[in-house]
Amino acid sequence: GAGVSQSPSNKVTEKGKDVELRCDPISGHTALYWYRQSLGQGLEFLIYFQGNSAPDKSGLPSDRFSAERTGGSVSTLTIQRTQQEDSAVYLCASRLRDRAGEQYFGPGTRLTVT
Amino acid sequence: GQNIDQPTEMTATEGAIVQINCTYQTSGFNGLFWYQQHAGEAPTFLSYNVLDGLEEKGRFSSFLSRSKGYSYLLLKELQMKDSASYLCAVSYGQAGTALIFGKGTTLSVSS
Repeated sequence: GAGVSQSPSNKVTEKGKDVELRCDPISGHTALYWYRQSLGQGLEFLIYFQGNSAPDKSGLPSDRFSAERTGGSVSTLTIQRTQQEDSAVYLCASRLRDRAGEQYFGPGTRLTVT
Repeated sequence: GQNIDQPTEMTATEGAIVQINCTYQTSGFNGLFWYQQHAGEAPTFLSYNVLDGLEEKGRFSSFLSRSKGYSYLLLKELQMKDSASYLCAVSYGQAGTALIFGKGTTLSVSS
């Protein structure tokens, strides 16, 4: 079946602009995560959605970052007033509700802020 | 704060066995994961430990000791394709939804 998809695959934007990244999870996966991975760094947890529960936003680095998940499926991560330090690969992952550890990752969006 | 430590790099030869260690300090513990990430690709799930002991899956095994805050990933019969970064991650916190990843161990397998 289809895996997790993300778009765009690459995004170059000017400092100060807003960007929106999209994630389509695997059908039937109720849990969805966003991560950020900078060069030479580990994966940084950003936000977690589970069904209709309130999302866990504890990883969002600033109020310029927000995410939503509509209809329990597609999710968008929005970064407002982008800064150069926002440059990274943004990864989305999804999993079944009862398979806590087994996350399936999308290919990521490489964001470059110039 | 939350912290995960794992070696930055390791090298091994084809056919050998390698053990990648991971230590963690987190406020609460709900499970430990290992992921494999080839250069330029997304991570792929390898294993998940929630109870103490060894979980075996083919050539890969993962061990957990919650009292010691310690895990290892054991790779047997190494192949060139095993050259990748191996990420240790811990789920913690009351709801168990917060996650912290280590920076990864880059394993290079030579012939």
